[in-house]
Amino acid sequence: EVQLVESGGGLVQPGRSLRLSCAASGFTFDDYAMHWVRQTPGKGLEWVSGLSWISGRIAYADSVKGRFTISRDNAKNSLYLQMNSLRTEDTALYYCVKDIGHLVKYGMDVWGQGTTVIVSS
Amino acid sequence: QSVLTQPPSASGTPGQRVTISCSGSRFNIGTNTVNWYQQLPGTAPKLLIYSDNQRPSGVPDRFSGSKSGTSASLSISGLQSEDEADFYCAAWDDSLNVWVFGGGTKVTVL
Repeated sequence: EVQLVESGGGLVQPGRSLRLSCAASGFTFDDYAMHWVRQTPGKGLEWVSGLSWISGRIAYADSVKGRFTISRDNAKNSLYLQMNSLRTEDTALYYCVKDIGHLVKYGMDVWGQGTTVIVSS
Repeated sequence: QSVLTQPPSASGTPGQRVTISCSGSRFNIGTNTVNWYQQLPGTAPKLLIYSDNQRPSGVPDRFSGSKSGTSASLSISGLQSEDEADFYCAAWDDSLNVWVFGGGTKVTVL
């Protein structure tokens, strides 16, 4: 069974940094692209970033480009999101998501339960 | 304002058929396949339809997807009370080089 467990969320002041982690199990991690998607309370979904190990492709939403960095450690079956220069509008539930295939363009498949990030002074 | 446009709500009685539309552009739906997600209250989204009209294993065949030009739709036939959820469409956008979602449609079973 595919499992994705996020951690690292919390309350942080504007301008500070936070690093999210996602532990993956139940599938061959190297074979799939991975994503981060966020959802603000009572609102819709926003794709944040995606990374394909096989193609080397990395993509970011314009709203986070230059501030967030996605990375993965295949040896640890883990995905990360380094979030710098956080803004109040980054407050959201952040989901780690496995792709349908090995390319970022295939799309989101299995979702974790999410970790909450609150940016507030 | 979402790049993909969905109606905010839809409803039907048990057993009815409900259809949700998703409108985009030539850069997203017009060029790439569409995925649909179901989000039950208090839970993470779940992949419902991928590649316009394919159902992952375990998804009932009451759910079906279609696409024509720059629009896609999700149909739920034989509506059941457990289908009450938010539904989102998504597609890769070749112009923006990002995944774009619709704003979501809340389905209510009357």
